[in-house]
Amino acid sequence: AQSVTQPDIHITVSEGASLELRCNYSYGATPYLFWYVQSPGQGLQLLLKYFSGDTLVQGIKGFEAEFKRSQSSFNLRKPSVHWSDAAEYFCAVAGGSTLGRLYFGRGTQLTVWP
Amino acid sequence: EPEVTQTPSHQVTQMGQEVILRCVPISNHLYFYWYRQILGQKVEFLVSFYNNEISEKSEIFDDRFSVERPDGSNFTLKIRSTKLEDSAMYFCASRDRGDTQYFGPGTRLTVL
Repeated sequence: AQSVTQPDIHITVSEGASLELRCNYSYGATPYLFWYVQSPGQGLQLLLKYFSGDTLVQGIKGFEAEFKRSQSSFNLRKPSVHWSDAAEYFCAVAGGSTLGRLYFGRGTQLTVWP
Repeated sequence: EPEVTQTPSHQVTQMGQEVILRCVPISNHLYFYWYRQILGQKVEFLVSFYNNEISEKSEIFDDRFSVERPDGSNFTLKIRSTKLEDSAMYFCASRDRGDTQYFGPGTRLTVL
């Protein structure tokens, strides 16, 4: 069955530091992978997605993620974090009969120190 | 930019009562979803809806749950005989022919 693991529940970084949020997935075929971000009081906003092709994908707000099939990972990175990046980040894989069902990780809460 | 909206933002109800959570998906989208997140747990899929019928549902979506698209713009989730364990944040999402789901801000349901 499909599943997603985000091993880090809470990460704290200083503003300007680099960031990597980890995501591991379990899926039998080529996965459709997503990263979403949720700010307080807001919905889940799509940061980026991977369906096929180049394994390094670029997203909004300066984020990127790299798909590594051998490691079943889809880690999210940003070279320099801004205070406005503080939020909760969710990794997800699409599955189900129509690939419309998203399986989410538990989320990683990011705190940014000034 | 078009967005998914949900009302109310917070709903409080007594155990055993019925609640209706409302969503307005993005115009022209074809696929509609409900998810929920119990505090401290993962976001979980409830149901998907396409062409006026349920296309997939999870084991959470039992006989107390139902969905409806009563007109061209609204998409509702009804929960009958609410239980304490129904307390959660409920998210609506919609998708066009692409593969990206767009989420609303959520409705926090509290069952007392």
